[in-house]
Amino acid sequence: EAQVTQNPRYLITVTGKKLTVTCSQNMNHEYMSWYRQDPGLGLRQIYYSMNVEVTDKGDVPEGYKVSRKEKRNFPLILESPSPNQTSLYFCASSGQGLSYNEQFFGPGTRLTVL
Amino acid sequence: AQSVTQLDSHVSVSEGTPVLLRCNYSSSYSPSLFWYVQHPNKGLQLLLKYTSAATLVKGINGFEAEFKKSETSFHLTKPSAHMSDAAEYFCVVTRNSGGYQKVTFGIGTKLQVIP
Repeated sequence: EAQVTQNPRYLITVTGKKLTVTCSQNMNHEYMSWYRQDPGLGLRQIYYSMNVEVTDKGDVPEGYKVSRKEKRNFPLILESPSPNQTSLYFCASSGQGLSYNEQFFGPGTRLTVL
Repeated sequence: AQSVTQLDSHVSVSEGTPVLLRCNYSSSYSPSLFWYVQHPNKGLQLLLKYTSAATLVKGINGFEAEFKKSETSFHLTKPSAHMSDAAEYFCVVTRNSGGYQKVTFGIGTKLQVIP
């Protein structure tokens, strides 16, 4: 089954404790992206990757890091989480030509930073 | 630069009546436009997309949208609402230029369907 998986689905952590949210897709997609969803703000793009070893900032990259060492994986790293990073996070992937191909979304990761 | 404005944060309709969710966009380039739906505690699913072909786009579950360049609008409609349509809907604009890809979501419209 074609899918995007994220782990963990739920995470409660404390300020400053480094964490990684994993994202994996099995569709051989070139493009992957991370979003955060906050009430009243919709989804905002954090980082995206056009292909292996090619990443770029989205609209809200501060406090986040990403890497793309393999085509299927695109982990999101919070080196020193803060309470304002409490949010619902979505990973998405699509084939070449984002403008024509739909994005496939993961189930989401709900992060709480205390 | 590009932006998306969803004109209503909440829309309430009775079951069996028409649905209209409004979206206006701004883009310096010819945009591609999408509507996604998010049911409670679920991920996002594509409803329909406009990619410079037909201006009237049909999607899943009876939804359709019309691209109007002169009005910079891409409103989502459905002739008759069903209880299962209750969800949050997002209008999205994308720009794909020289390998650079920019995606902008609207803030979402929550659709309530009253029995």
